Amino acid sequence: ILNVEQSPQSLHVQEGDSTNFTCSFPSSNFYALHWYRWETAKSPEALFVMTLNGDEKKKGRISATLNTKEGYSYLYIKGSQPEDSATYLCASYNNNDMRFGAGTRLTVKP
Amino acid sequence: GAVVSQHPSRVICKSGTSVKIECRSLDFQATTMFWYRQFPKQSLMLMATSNEGSKATYEQGVEKDKFLINHASLTLSTLTVTSAHPEDSSFYICSAKVAGGPEQYFGPGTRLTVT
Repeated sequence: ILNVEQSPQSLHVQEGDSTNFTCSFPSSNFYALHWYRWETAKSPEALFVMTLNGDEKKKGRISATLNTKEGYSYLYIKGSQPEDSATYLCASYNNNDMRFGAGTRLTVKP
Repeated sequence: GAVVSQHPSRVICKSGTSVKIECRSLDFQATTMFWYRQFPKQSLMLMATSNEGSKATYEQGVEKDKFLINHASLTLSTLTVTSAHPEDSSFYICSAKVAGGPEQYFGPGTRLTVT
């Protein structure tokens, strides 16, 4: 049984702050790691799909890194804005099975 | 912290049978639960919003007679895939919204394989 964990569970920052959070996942039989940005009652927006150890991806002010050997990924947001407030969800695809973390809820205060 | 469980974690069934997936909020009450579907190489898709004690609201293109949702209590919602076909094979994920608050949490997902 896979276990994907995200921390922290929630995070409050001021506008302009940079922030980061963690997704840890099983490293065995790893295939891909997905990051989503999710707003309530909407379909999550895919941010990144990462497969290679050492991979770094960037989309605007958001970037992510991947360590498949130790089983973790970091998501960074530079200069947070109120519109970045959302839940950031990761999911790990291992051995033909997929598991989601519980998400990190980010609130950016103006 | 808040925990959402799903059962079963994976299920294999034959074409034409029905499968029930449970989503439970273990340590909080959830007035609203959401059901999603994940196709390979695609993003999560919201299927329906399930409110305790009332009928679910389905997204456009989702067949409500095929995907039956019941939210009978503040801690349990079920999704039944009726007369399953191989094209229904997918990951089904639920999330639960904390009663009276904005927080929502995801379940770990259920992998359905229809043979």
